[in-house]
Amino acid sequence: GENVEQHPSTLSVQEGDSAVIKCTYSDSASNYFPWYKQELGKGPQLIIDIRSNVGEKKDQRIAVTLNKTAKHFSLHITETQPEDSAVYFCAASYSGGGADGLTFGKGTHLIIQP
Amino acid sequence: GAVVSQHPSRVICKSGTSVKIECRSLDFQATTMFWYRQFPKQSLMLMATSNEGSKATYEQGVEKDKFLINHASLTLSTLTVTSAHPEDSSFYICSARRDYEQYFGPGTRLTVT
Repeated sequence: GENVEQHPSTLSVQEGDSAVIKCTYSDSASNYFPWYKQELGKGPQLIIDIRSNVGEKKDQRIAVTLNKTAKHFSLHITETQPEDSAVYFCAASYSGGGADGLTFGKGTHLIIQP
Repeated sequence: GAVVSQHPSRVICKSGTSVKIECRSLDFQATTMFWYRQFPKQSLMLMATSNEGSKATYEQGVEKDKFLINHASLTLSTLTVTSAHPEDSSFYICSARRDYEQYFGPGTRLTVT
């Protein structure tokens, strides 16, 4: 089955700086890679996703890049703000219809220092 | 759009009793919903895939007779934890699939005493 590795487990950055979180996946058949933000005691919130037919996607301060050959993808947050503090999870799945539950990384606790 | 609700948000039950958790997609129809479990400070683990009108598909190691899933309509899936024990205490989160994206509910905190 799929295995997703996520690094770092904790990331502390100064407000206004950029944050980068990296993930690798093992199953070359995976073609869908979402990123979720989870605040304490709440469900994960989809913030951005990318499919394997593109290499990069951007939405305001958030961007995701995908390298299919190396089987890794990254989340980039620019101009970080205090409200960006949360746990971020990457995930992977094969989105071909039928059963395509997500395999999650272990999460990154992002701390924005004021 | 893409709002998913769960009920209850938290529940405390005694060992040996059963608990039902509801997951609803409020503004879209979902033929497929998923149930995940999350232990404190850990990641989400997929328990089962719930398909409307058919039997759920369980991940390896998840007891289907203990975690009963019913997906009777395009907007509702239920998870029943039968004969709950303290080790079943966890955060249970459902998601609903719209196109290829999954949207998560707010979670249900189950505590078994």
